[in-house]
Amino acid sequence: EPEVTQTPSHQVTQMGQEVILRCVPISNHLYFYWYRQILGQKVEFLVSFYNNEISEKSEIFDDQFSVERPDGSNFTLKIRSTKLEDSAMYFCASSEPSLAGGPPSDFGPGTRLLVL
Amino acid sequence: AQKVTQAQTEISVVEKEDVTLDCVYETRDTTYYLFWYKQPPSGELVFLIRRNSFDEQNEISGRYSWNFQKSTSSFNFTITASQVVDSAVYFCALSEAQQNFVFGPGTRLSVLP
Repeated sequence: EPEVTQTPSHQVTQMGQEVILRCVPISNHLYFYWYRQILGQKVEFLVSFYNNEISEKSEIFDDQFSVERPDGSNFTLKIRSTKLEDSAMYFCASSEPSLAGGPPSDFGPGTRLLVL
Repeated sequence: AQKVTQAQTEISVVEKEDVTLDCVYETRDTTYYLFWYKQPPSGELVFLIRRNSFDEQNEISGRYSWNFQKSTSSFNFTITASQVVDSAVYFCALSEAQQNFVFGPGTRLSVLP
């Protein structure tokens, strides 16, 4: 069964550094999402992406964040200048066309980001 | 605005007991989706069920069952004959049509041998 994949599984970086988190959504899905979960807290929506543009973003998704679909398979989240509070698990998700932009049910395994 | 409440922060049961995890939601939409996810200690989000607002049939999948009550805006999750491997954080989530998830705060379930 196809699944969303994410790389790396863990990333440690210094405060102020740029990080890029990578995701490969399920191939026939058209809607892509990033969520994050600070340790011990609930999962929070960051951004949704459709047709090569952001369709919705939360207050968390400020100018330090950007997303891109650089080719037909990858979906990336970039954090330009990481802060300590960016330490979290980041989940990518995607949803199929039939859900017409509705909620994702397929989440990747997550990338655990630690900012020192 | 969407909102999901999981009043039980932590639950501990002994193996083989049944346990029900509560989820109460708020929405103004008539079309919405409800979800349950399991997050084991390894951290990934494991999809358990999606239910749309027009389908109030309860569902059973093995030892799992879900009780959707629109009248009380609840979507409770019951694990029958719990096992140690059921120990995890369980999240209920709500999505209104064309919008994104709101997750509940989660319930940490510990199943003791």
